[in-house]
Amino acid sequence: ILNVEQSPQSLHVQEGDSTNFTCSFPSSNFYALHWYRWETAKSPEALFVMTLNGDEKKKGQISATLNTKEGYSYLYIKGSQPEDSATYLCAFGGRDTGRRALTFGSGTRLQVQP
Amino acid sequence: NAGVTQTPKFQVLKTGQSMTLQCAQDMNHNSMYWYRQDPGMGLRLIYYSASEGTTDKGEVPNGYNVSRLNKREFSLRLESAAPSQTSVYFCASSDGTSGRPGELFFGEGSRLTVL
Repeated sequence: ILNVEQSPQSLHVQEGDSTNFTCSFPSSNFYALHWYRWETAKSPEALFVMTLNGDEKKKGQISATLNTKEGYSYLYIKGSQPEDSATYLCAFGGRDTGRRALTFGSGTRLQVQP
Repeated sequence: NAGVTQTPKFQVLKTGQSMTLQCAQDMNHNSMYWYRQDPGMGLRLIYYSASEGTTDKGEVPNGYNVSRLNKREFSLRLESAAPSQTSVYFCASSDGTSGRPGELFFGEGSRLTVL
């Protein structure tokens, strides 16, 4: 069973605060690292798909970095807004031919207080 | 744009009953997946189909069967439901390369309660 860990489990911040979360994953047999945003009562939606060591992706005030050699990715939110409240999931895709599917972490639940 | 459609959205079953969750995608994706979501455990893969005509077990396949009916449809069957199968089920599809998953597109989820 692949180990994909996310921290912290939950986070409460004030509107305007910047925040970041961590996703750690196996550093061997890396293929891709995905980040998804999951709002309550909705479906998860992709934020980023990252495949290269050193990748940095940005969408609005949200950005992500990737270090495949040490097996971690950071997601940053600059100036959090209440509408950023959601669970953020990372998912690891490996080159292991035994499973051609993503393994998800348990998520970081972000609550942004107005 | 329908994307990924799954039915039913809600279902209550008694222990031992059977049911099938249906999933269809209209994006011409090769790969389809069934995940379950339980509190504190994120999304766990039940079964997946990397391409039409193939299915493979994920992390938690026990108690489930799947059918990749055609490229569009991927169903999940509970033959004899158990309370441990109370969960929210998500179907997803993707169009990766070399069989590896690209971005996943999810259905709206099916909330199943087994009494």
